[in-house]
Amino acid sequence: DVKVTQSSRYLVKRTGEKVFLECVQDMDHENMFWYRQDPGLGLRLIYFSYDVKMKEKGDIPEGYSVSREKKERFSLILESASTNQTSMYLCASRLHGRSTDTQYFGPGTRLTVL
Amino acid sequence: AQTVTQSQPEMSVQEAETVTLSCTYDTSESDYYLFWYKQPPSRQMILVIRQEAYKQQNATENRFSVNFQKAAKSFSLKISDSQLGDAAMYFCAYRSRNSGGSNYKLTFGKGTLLTVNP
Repeated sequence: DVKVTQSSRYLVKRTGEKVFLECVQDMDHENMFWYRQDPGLGLRLIYFSYDVKMKEKGDIPEGYSVSREKKERFSLILESASTNQTSMYLCASRLHGRSTDTQYFGPGTRLTVL
Repeated sequence: AQTVTQSQPEMSVQEAETVTLSCTYDTSESDYYLFWYKQPPSRQMILVIRQEAYKQQNATENRFSVNFQKAAKSFSLKISDSQLGDAAMYFCAYRSRNSGGSNYKLTFGKGTLLTVNP
């Protein structure tokens, strides 16, 4: 079974702090994704990476950056956290090249910015 | 750009009965995938069922089936013999099959919260 883990289930940070959210997958997937989930808005893609050191902006990249130095790990960085970044953050991974493959999701990190 | 619309923010069903969740989408593409994902309370999101647009036959997974109407751009999920464990947020999602960056990303609807009453 694919396993996608995220470093924290709950996180509380202060405005202006630099925040790192970590995601690790154990199935050698090339593609990895970061979403945020807000009530009434569904999931929105922040960034994705189709391979190591490769990244692409999603629909809402402003205020975020990412890092993919190793295949299994995809980090989401909030350079200077703001209260409007309080949200649930979901990481996902997918095997590249198999068009029917689904995305596998982590358990999520609920981030609160005070 | 593709959009996915789930017009029912909440639904409820009695245990053992059948419920249908609606999803419509807008795209100019002819080749794509559609998915239903389930997110139980405080648990990981998991895939329920997927449909390839070029297949006319509706996908089925045990008690879950879809009604895929390509011309109408409709993709509803039917849950038969509903169980308490089916209670969750359900998301409809679209993915392009065309080459290029767009075929990596899923576009999600806003979700439908399903309650199952005992």
